[in-house]
Order: sequence, then C-alpha cells, then structure tokens
Amino acid sequence: EDKVVQSPLSLVVHEGDTVTLNCSYEVTNFRSLLWYKQEKKAPTFLFMLTSSGIEKKSGRLSSILDKKELFSILNITATQTGDSAIYLCAVEDSNYQLIWGAGTKLIIKP
Amino acid sequence: ETGVTQSPTHLIKTRGQQVTLRCSSQSGHNTVSWYQQALGQGPQFIFQYYREEENGRGNFPPRFSGLQFPNYSSELNVNALELDDSALYLCASSLSDTNEKLFFGSGTQLSVL
Repeated sequence: EDKVVQSPLSLVVHEGDTVTLNCSYEVTNFRSLLWYKQEKKAPTFLFMLTSSGIEKKSGRLSSILDKKELFSILNITATQTGDSAIYLCAVEDSNYQLIWGAGTKLIIKP
Repeated sequence: ETGVTQSPTHLIKTRGQQVTLRCSSQSGHNTVSWYQQALGQGPQFIFQYYREEENGRGNFPPRFSGLQFPNYSSELNVNALELDDSALYLCASSLSDTNEKLFFGSGTQLSVL
C-alpha cells in the first residue's frame, strides 16, 4: 500500500532557528512530490519536486528530493512566528492522485 | 484568498442523516477534487471531477457521492452519516490534472454526533 510518512509530527523552536522537516515515501508509480503549508484550513502550495538533487528555493524555504532513498526535506532558515503552521507532504502518482502524509506541526516561539 | 469558496463553514449532523457540501471553484478551473481531513491527519482523496464527469476516486464507500455542474462548481453528498465522518472536508480546484496549481478552499468542518 502506498504511504507517505512525515517526521517529526510536531516541532517547537525559537524564532531565528533553522528547521528541517522530513518526508519519506513508498509509492508505486511516483510522479512528483509536493509540499504544502496549512495555517488555518486551506493548504497552500510551496514546492513541487520531480528530479533528484535539484534544490528548489523560495525565500527562506528550500526543498530537495532524493528519489534513490525515497525522501524529501523541507528547510526553513531564520524562522519567524508566521512560519507556524502544519507542513504537509504529498506524493503524486501516475494517475495524478495525491497521497498525503499526516503533516508536521511547527510552532515558532518568539 | 484562493478564489475557491466552500459552504457551509461548519455543520453539525447526527448519525444516519445526509449532508450536502458545496464548492465554487476558482474562475477558469475545470477540475474539482474533494478531500477528507480527520484531526491530526493529512487529507485523504475522496474523488475528482473533470468537466462534470468523475475522474478518479479514492477508497471511500458509495455513500460518498458528488456532482459537478456546468459552471464547474461541485457538491459532495454523504448519506447515512457515521461518527467517523466527522472531519474537515476540503475542496480544491485546478486546471485539468495539474496538482502544482491546486487551489484549496477553507473547508467545511463537519461534526457527526
């Protein structure tokens, strides 16, 4: 059965710290891996990764995919209180359907 | 704001009842997907509609059904509600099957008592 596992489930850090969120997967017919941020209710898109070893970057956020070891990481540097959210990882299969992890709840303390 | 609107925002029902949730997709988007997100879990794919036809279904029983209308808005219907149906129901719209451009609504929080 296809599955996506995120770790840690929750994380509390102080403003200014750097965090690394992990996502591992076992999905037949992998097409891409996506990261979303869920602050209140609606998840918002962060990154889509399809190729190994190519870092995607947006401001203080970056992400990379390892298709050999079947995982991805999401890094956030110089964290701010506005980064507090649930970060969701999803893997897209060849039918364009998304298999989601349970998320990492990130809390940034001032 | 994504332009995807869902109604109602909250709903309380009792076991055995039926419920209809509604979603208006972002302008120009012809594909709508529905997800169920239980507390502390990631979203689970229910089904997707493309141009008024069901275009993929997750592991949900037939009492979960849907519709897409000519203006691409959509409904999710759940019959014979069970306690475990309590969850946040998210609607997402996109152009075709592009998950990179998936825009989510703020969801309907359903509580089944």
